[in-house]
Amino acid sequence: EAGVAQSPRYKIIEKRQSVAFWCNPISGHATLYWYQQILGQGPKLLIQFQNNGVVDDSQLPKDRFSAERLKGVDSTLKIQPAKLEDSAVYLCASSFSRDTDTQYFGPGTRLTVL
Amino acid sequence: DQQVKQNSPSLSVQEGRISILNCDYTNSMFDYFLWYKKYPAEGPTFLISISSIKDKNEDGRFTVFLNKSAKHLSLHIVPSQPGDSAVYFCAASEVGSQGNLIFGKGTKLSVKP
Repeated sequence: EAGVAQSPRYKIIEKRQSVAFWCNPISGHATLYWYQQILGQGPKLLIQFQNNGVVDDSQLPKDRFSAERLKGVDSTLKIQPAKLEDSAVYLCASSFSRDTDTQYFGPGTRLTVL
Repeated sequence: DQQVKQNSPSLSVQEGRISILNCDYTNSMFDYFLWYKKYPAEGPTFLISISSIKDKNEDGRFTVFLNKSAKHLSLHIVPSQPGDSAVYFCAASEVGSQGNLIFGKGTKLSVKP
């Protein structure tokens, strides 16, 4: 069974530029999560989708971050404009459903904002 | 304010011995706890979980203990192997939070041959 796929793996941009990350969850998984992991910290949930609907985006900085999951499969996370403090690893995870189902993580995208 | 705390940034253990990783939490509404393992340049991998109705869960070499009164859980790895060297994250979710995991900062385990 293929795992969670993410691209790109690495991205370097200058502040005020835009960037987008892509995630393809495990086939059949209805729930998709985006996490931000700053160096030395644990992952922090940004947004959670159930199929193509947003369940929780309370920790998403909506003035600059946006995410979508069209057709309930792939998802894209965008930052516009990027700030220095957005430098982090962005992890995508998926699970069969919500609640206590195991979340499976992708390898992440390491973003560096200069 | 951190709701899930892993106070030891690192731990070094000899191969074959027991590794004990600790985690404390402050939110009494947490009812489900998980441990994830992370190798460099990879995403976290689920290791083991425990519900608040239990005080112990075992899976092979890995055992998680939960002490609700102390708001403390621990992960025991016996015997430790060099391949266990990784960063271990403790995570918790709250009743009705629908999968919103709160992670600790992680503990880097080094198992020396």
